[in-house]
Amino acid sequence: SSELTQDPAVSVALGQTVRITCQGDSLRSYYASWYQQKPGQAPVLVIDHRTNRPSGIPDRFSGSNSGYTASLTITGAQAEDEADYHCASRDSSGNYVVFGGGTKLTV
Amino acid sequence: ELQLVESGGGLVKPGGSLRLSCAASGFTFSDYTMNWVRQAPGQGLEWVSSISGGSDFIYYADSLKGRFTISRDNAKNSLYLEINSLRDEDTAVYYCARGSAYDYDHWGQGTLVTVSS
Repeated sequence: SSELTQDPAVSVALGQTVRITCQGDSLRSYYASWYQQKPGQAPVLVIDHRTNRPSGIPDRFSGSNSGYTASLTITGAQAEDEADYHCASRDSSGNYVVFGGGTKLTV
Repeated sequence: ELQLVESGGGLVKPGGSLRLSCAASGFTFSDYTMNWVRQAPGQGLEWVSSISGGSDFIYYADSLKGRFTISRDNAKNSLYLEINSLRDEDTAVYYCARGSAYDYDHWGQGTLVTVSS
């Protein structure tokens, strides 16, 4: 399968920890990257496929991978973290990119 | 400062064609794989196509093959996407993004393509 599945919506109280998950067969072979997208803006890479944070991304964002599931964890969520979060990975062939449907995070 | 600026979107009738452009600055354009990703209104992101720095490797989403053509001009630091036989379902914001694998570390602001009669 070349699909990545995300929960459509997740909510978290200010200052609490939230985990956003992404599931798919391709995640057994390829780790996920994660993008944050605020309304009317372009996506921003927050976790790359090596689970590294690009420069400027707060350290409250972290990523992990296990089996068919990738996770984005926000430890101590802030109001400004309210956004859509999209996972991405290679598909099973390795030649194409597939995105999850996105998760709307409410803080 | 690194910048990606898309242009060329607009209102097009079904069956029409469009050429989108992405002007890059602030980095050595030819060193990077470039990509097009689109987002239909209220929907998630959809990868469209990727092209390697020297145009040696080009990939398209299976569902879009045949109507979309990606290209680049490294002398002009520009990326292009030609779309033919436009359909209603091609209505979306089209983003260009820098990056290989699927780590797209810089994105343009997007250009809106609306297909409607």
